[in-house]
Amino acid sequence: DADVTQTPRNRITKTGKRIMLECSQTKGHDRMYWYRQDPGLGLQLIYYSFDVKDINKGEISDGYSVSRQAQAKFSLSLESAIPNQTALYFCATSDHRGLTDTQYFGPGTRLTVL
Amino acid sequence: TQLLEQSPQFLSIQEGENLTVYCNSSSVFSSLQWYRQEPGEGPVLLVTVVTGGEVKKLKRLTFQFGDARKDSSLHITAAQPGDTGLYLCAGGAGRRALTFGSGTRLQVQP
Repeated sequence: DADVTQTPRNRITKTGKRIMLECSQTKGHDRMYWYRQDPGLGLQLIYYSFDVKDINKGEISDGYSVSRQAQAKFSLSLESAIPNQTALYFCATSDHRGLTDTQYFGPGTRLTVL
Repeated sequence: TQLLEQSPQFLSIQEGENLTVYCNSSSVFSSLQWYRQEPGEGPVLLVTVVTGGEVKKLKRLTFQFGDARKDSSLHITAAQPGDTGLYLCAGGAGRRALTFGSGTRLQVQP
């Protein structure tokens, strides 16, 4: 079974709709992240959480919100989807040890906003 | 804001050729990681370097962290089609979330 799972894997929606992407992990990590990837490009950090009571904005948080319901669950919401939010969304977890912070990524959710 | 710039953005080579990908910043990082992402999947960690000047080898891949811990390089010897993918560097600094580079897309033609 995958350590980091994302649902749904694919979603097509219309402008103005509210969308929630969910992420679950069985790795027991405290840290969780949401990233966005546009075609052919690197990763942009949307939000991250270092523990259940901690939520931090990333570099592109506008138009998005998150909820850390438990250590194992971190959901991303688009309150009113717009076409330029069409992208591949990745959830990741990490276990910070000393100087390193290895990230483990889910399989991604492909979101299309029409 | 810490930024990591990767070059080249895209590289298409023939099987058997050597290549080097660069990751540069004006900021100092406590660690530098390289990830590879294949189509339809999330990135997967290849290596972590933490000491300035450190060199690590992973089969045909050689990773180096700059002496000042502001830059890194990835060298692939005798590239194979299985090396095709998006290579991402990521810098760590204290308690902050990782900063990812813009990526280098490598295509190795058989």
